[in-house]
Amino acid sequence: DTAVSQTPKYLVTQMGNDKSIKCEQNLGHDTMYWYKQDSKKFLKIMFSYNNKELIINETVPNRFSPKSPDKAHLNLHINSLELGDSAVYFCASSPGTGKGSPLHFGNGTRLTVT
Amino acid sequence: KQEVTQIPAALSVPEGENLVLNCSFTDSAIYNLQWFRQDPGKGLTSLLLIQSSQREQTSGRLNASLDKSSGRSTLYIAASQPGDSATYLCAESSGGYNKLIFGAGTRLAVHP
Repeated sequence: DTAVSQTPKYLVTQMGNDKSIKCEQNLGHDTMYWYKQDSKKFLKIMFSYNNKELIINETVPNRFSPKSPDKAHLNLHINSLELGDSAVYFCASSPGTGKGSPLHFGNGTRLTVT
Repeated sequence: KQEVTQIPAALSVPEGENLVLNCSFTDSAIYNLQWFRQDPGKGLTSLLLIQSSQREQTSGRLNASLDKSSGRSTLYIAASQPGDSATYLCAESSGGYNKLIFGAGTRLAVHP
């Protein structure tokens, strides 16, 4: 199936741990994104990569580090996890960065920090 | 500061009703306005994308309009069905690099 796939779907961990979320798209898109959906359901962009190059870096703690080994993959590594990091993290991709480029979203990773 | 507001936050209607979901945005210099559907435990599915030069887009029973001057968009759903039950999100793109600003969504329940 052509899609944006994220792993794991659920992640439960303790404060202070380091964890990674992986994302892969087989749509042939050039641009990938990480969005965070908090408990109030607001979706906010965190990062975007175009052809492995970082193009959007919102005001996100530097404990969050994205890595794009190739344009089909965008992983998110989080150091020293905090309670406030609990949220659903969505990966997305689009054909390009231009206005009007529709986004395709993965199913999300629900992160719970205890 | 760019903001997107959606009203109502929740809506419950009987099957067959026509309904309107509202979205307002503060930045009149938008590139486009997008409507998404989110099912529980799932990602977002793109429904309609309206470019800033367009007034509306249609797909099946869905029609989305855009009024840049008033900073409003509406999503019209005709003859609603229980399968339409989901959260509907609107998002505006006004910055570079296809950066979307989302509203909090309208949670729709269509009951038989």
